[in-house]
Amino acid sequence: GAVVSQHPSWVICKSGTSVKIECRSLDFQATTMFWYRQFPKQSLMLMATSNEGSKATYEQGVEKDKFLINHASLTLSTLTVTSAHPEDSSFYICSARTTYFGLRNYNEQFFGPGTRLTVL
Amino acid sequence: AQSVTQLDSHVSVSEGTPVLLRCNYSSSYSPSLFWYVQHPNKGLQLLLKYTSAATLVKGINGFEAEFKKSETSFHLTKPSAHMSDAAEYFCVVTRTLRNNDMRFGAGTRLTVKP
Repeated sequence: GAVVSQHPSWVICKSGTSVKIECRSLDFQATTMFWYRQFPKQSLMLMATSNEGSKATYEQGVEKDKFLINHASLTLSTLTVTSAHPEDSSFYICSARTTYFGLRNYNEQFFGPGTRLTVL
Repeated sequence: AQSVTQLDSHVSVSEGTPVLLRCNYSSSYSPSLFWYVQHPNKGLQLLLKYTSAATLVKGINGFEAEFKKSETSFHLTKPSAHMSDAAEYFCVVTRTLRNNDMRFGAGTRLTVKP
């Protein structure tokens, strides 16, 4: 099946610094990647949709200047949390959607393992 | 707008007994519905999906779900729980074929007792 990786799996940083999280589709090309955020014991909330070669579309209430998303290739999207603060501490999960990976998986989202961010 | 409600935040069953995880949806359109499972420190894995074909959907690991439009439900079941089924389960709804607006339920934590 399709595999999506995230790096790093966890990161601890000081308040005010920036953190970059990578999301890669390992064995397929993904024209669209999604970034989610999950607070402890809560559900996933969609932050933004990232299309290769174009600007990301952010959900209402998500600051695009704080959460910078770049989708420069068909296998890589990055999320940069700028000037991180303790309230940004969360579990960030990406997913990648296939345009074609066999009819059975058409348009299915494949999820990465997540990155746990802790801001001190 | 579409949304899902998972009726139980925590379900505990004994190994070998049936599993029922409840999900109700709200959608102005004909929805697509999914169940995902999340094991600790692992990515979400798709268990099954309903996309307006057969209302009884069979998934992986012996799970299945039935789409009931009259009850706006999509409950997940398994005849016999296994210890490895212990995880967090999410019911998800989307209204577009491109699946770019997935709305997750709050999740149900399944505990399996020996």
